Amino acid sequence: NAGVTQTPKFQVLKTGQSMTLQCAQDMNHNSMYWYRQDPGMGLRLIYYSASEGTTDKGEVPNGYNVSRLNKREFSLRLESAAPSQTSVYFCASSHETGMGNEQFFGPGTRLTVL
Amino acid sequence: GNSVTQMEGPVTLSEEAFLTINCTYTATGYPSLFWYVQYPGEGLQLLLKATKADDKGSNKGFEATYRKETTSFHLEKGSVQVSDSAVYFCALREWASGSARQLTFGSGTQLTVLP
Repeated sequence: NAGVTQTPKFQVLKTGQSMTLQCAQDMNHNSMYWYRQDPGMGLRLIYYSASEGTTDKGEVPNGYNVSRLNKREFSLRLESAAPSQTSVYFCASSHETGMGNEQFFGPGTRLTVL
Repeated sequence: GNSVTQMEGPVTLSEEAFLTINCTYTATGYPSLFWYVQYPGEGLQLLLKATKADDKGSNKGFEATYRKETTSFHLEKGSVQVSDSAVYFCALREWASGSARQLTFGSGTQLTVLP
C-alpha cells in the first residue's frame, strides 16, 4: 500500500496563477483533509471531507477550493495564487471521524508563490 | 476555542540524555490527545495517543500521560538517540459541533540529538 500520496512535491507559481494539488489514498478511508504548515504555527486545517460527496471548511479556507472526486481522491485548488499561500501543504486521511482515530499524512507539497 | 501550547524549541540534546517536551492544552470538553513526529522531508506520523484522563500513551520508548487536572500531555523519553531528531507536534481533537474532525496542533518542537 502506498498510503497517502500527493503530487506535485514542489511547485513555484507567480501571483495570480492557478493550480491544483492532488491527493489520493489507498486505505479505503472515509475522511480526508487538507492542511497547511507554516513556520512556528503548526498545521492548520484548510478543508476536510467526512465522506465522498461532502466537503466542509476548516480554520483557513479563504483562497482555496476542494473537490472530493471519489472515495480515494481529494484535490485542493488555488484559483489565483497569492504570496501568502506560500506554504507546505499536507493531505491526510482517516477511517472515520472518531475521537481517537489516527490521521495518516502524505509527504507534502512545498509551494512557493512569487 | 481549542488551543495547544508547546515548549518552544529548538531543543538540542546529547545521545542518551533524558527528553521532556512540554504540552498544555485548552479545551471546553474532553479531548483526545496526540503526539505526532515529522522526520526531515516527510509527512507527520502518529507517535502516540491517549483518549481519556490518566491514560498513558507509549511507543518507541516515548511516553505521555493525559493529565486532566493540569491540562497537560508532556512527551518524555529516557534515553534519546540520534535517530529521534525530528519535529514533534502535540495535538488534540475534541468532539464539538462542526469541529469534531479537526485536529488542533501546537507549533511544533524541533529536537536535535548529537552523537
